[in-house]
Amino acid sequence: AQKITQTQPGMFVQEKEAVTLDCTYDTSDPSYGLFWYKQPSSGEMIFLIYQGSYDQQNATEGRYSLNFQKARKSANLVISASQLGDSAMYFCAMREGRGFQKLVFGTGTRLLVSP
Amino acid sequence: DVKVTQSSRYLVKRTGEKVFLECVQDMDHENMFWYRQDPGLGLRLIYFSYDVKMKEKGDIPEGYSVSREKKERFSLILESASTNQTSMYLCASSLTVLEKQAFFGQGTRLTVV
Repeated sequence: AQKITQTQPGMFVQEKEAVTLDCTYDTSDPSYGLFWYKQPSSGEMIFLIYQGSYDQQNATEGRYSLNFQKARKSANLVISASQLGDSAMYFCAMREGRGFQKLVFGTGTRLLVSP
Repeated sequence: DVKVTQSSRYLVKRTGEKVFLECVQDMDHENMFWYRQDPGLGLRLIYFSYDVKMKEKGDIPEGYSVSREKKERFSLILESASTNQTSMYLCASSLTVLEKQAFFGQGTRLTVV
């Protein structure tokens, strides 16, 4: 069963606008962590933001924020004031607290920011 | 500066060859991971290791094996390469702390002809 689901293969946004990238997850473990990574065309994987299952507040890192809705099992990434350099693939990932903490990823969303 | 290094950026091998992909990290991380990345399929976990000589299958282990003889090195082995193993391979490492992110190597683009 797919643990991480990203339903948007591609998203378009104009520069300076905000955009939300969707991520839903599936786990029965009460302890887990959710991550977002950015992969530009160069191929490197860049860590953006982390949300823990017990965190009371939504995570924020600069222009990135994570809209964490635990009951709905969603962890959407919000990018405010998009920039041309935000054009990239974005991956949602999860680690579960029990056992060996393997890290699993979704299929990704390609974001294109236009001028 | 943290570093995960994969031995090759590009590799071309023939069908049936035994292929070794090497990954080294200098951060004393317990966990190491091998993924393959294919368009539309995201990153799929092949194998991971949580300690020296310990390994666990990921979601797509068929056709692959791994070796972790030292903490800093995690090798992915294709026993008999096939064309459907043409892909981008990414290695990552992390601490065994839930909130710590994984660090990735630069990737190896393997083509099997």
